[in-house]
Amino acid sequence: QSALTQPRSVSGSPGQSVTISCTGTSSDVGGYNYVSWYQQHPGKAPKLMIYDVSKRPSGVPDRFSGSKSGNTASLTISGLQAEDEADYYCCSYAGSYTPYVFGTGTKVTVL
Amino acid sequence: EVQLVESGGGLVQPGGSLRLSCAASGFTFSSYWMSWVRQAPGKGLEWVANIKQDGSEKYYVDSVKGRFTISRDNAKNSLYLQMNSLRAEDTAVYYCARERDGYKDYWGQGTLVTVSS
Repeated sequence: QSALTQPRSVSGSPGQSVTISCTGTSSDVGGYNYVSWYQQHPGKAPKLMIYDVSKRPSGVPDRFSGSKSGNTASLTISGLQAEDEADYYCCSYAGSYTPYVFGTGTKVTVL
Repeated sequence: EVQLVESGGGLVQPGGSLRLSCAASGFTFSSYWMSWVRQAPGKGLEWVANIKQDGSEKYYVDSVKGRFTISRDNAKNSLYLQMNSLRAEDTAVYYCARERDGYKDYWGQGTLVTVSS
């Protein structure tokens, strides 16, 4: 099972929107609606931001949204804020043999 | 409040063994699948293994099959990862995480495992 493909980095100014893509295959992203997204600040544990493709846990700002089309999932951060600067990872369920695969990770920089 | 606290990391020589523990509190531990996820220094997240509520099902990433064993003790609210035949490429921070259907909603702070001579 290969890691899902994410852009290495994206950037935007405060208030702008950025979108992070997460490309897999029909065996993972395209085959299940179990895509989740995690935010990780340096030296910290990952934090769940989106689950089931587009659902937000309580406490996560509605600036964060998720979607999926075919084998590619996306995370959009609208109204970018300084505290959004972090690494972001997607994750997909991939079947019972190797249940989970993470993305390669994307560094979001707020200019 | 859900809390997951890992322990047991440290420096070990190649070929050696280490047992990680994760102490869970603030939720009914026996009702959830649990996972181990690792992150090599400066690298991305990698799912390692998970275990069903009663321990009857266990799954592993290919790179650790036959070397790592995940287990749990529901009476002690604890998750474990026995790591044998350790290699340099196993060097990472190891996180335990609570699973829901298809995602991990709570993570511990991690414990660092360094495999080096």
